[in-house]
Amino acid sequence: DAGVTQSPTHLIKTRGQQVTLRCSPKSGHDTVSWYQQALGQGPQFIFQYYEEEERQRGNFPDRFSGHQFPNYSSELNVNALLLGDSALYLCASSPGPTSGNTIYFGEGSWLTVV
Amino acid sequence: EDQVTQSPEALRLQEGESSSLNCSYTVSGLRGLFWYRQDPGKGPEFLFTLYSAGEEKEKERLKATLTKKESFLHITAPKPEDSATYLCAVTSDAGNMLTFGGGTRLMVKP
Repeated sequence: DAGVTQSPTHLIKTRGQQVTLRCSPKSGHDTVSWYQQALGQGPQFIFQYYEEEERQRGNFPDRFSGHQFPNYSSELNVNALLLGDSALYLCASSPGPTSGNTIYFGEGSWLTVV
Repeated sequence: EDQVTQSPEALRLQEGESSSLNCSYTVSGLRGLFWYRQDPGKGPEFLFTLYSAGEEKEKERLKATLTKKESFLHITAPKPEDSATYLCAVTSDAGNMLTFGGGTRLMVKP
């Protein structure tokens, strides 16, 4: 049973550039969320996708956007990268958007902005 | 706004020395309290979900308990391979997004 998979695992971008991160949810899961984790801190919720729509959003600017495809996979896009966007980006999936469903994480994509 | 606080920030134990990690929370309508283990450079690994006060769950040397204001992760006779950061998180009536604490970094010396 494949878990949550993310790509790429590491990438380096220059300030001002744009980046796209990809995620495939755990088998049987249709809800995908994205989190940002800075070094030494707990993950912060960015947004959640269900039925190809953004359902909830955390306190992140519009530079952060996403998409969910019919096969439930998802992308996170970040425009106009800032040095402060350097972090581990985690994709998480769950079997539906109902609060209380267990949420599983992928291994993350390490983004370094220089 | 949901809030989660974990203590201590770091904990050093000798192998075999049992201890507990604390997670206190403030939420409007708790839907689930989650414990995750995170190894350096990896994503969080799911350990437990607790739903109501008085609930307990166990897995090997770990036992999680829940009250109306806090949760404890008890580690019995830890081994060096238990060294990791342990994260606590909640979901609430606000939706199925996790609000995390800052984590407890556990180091177990042989």
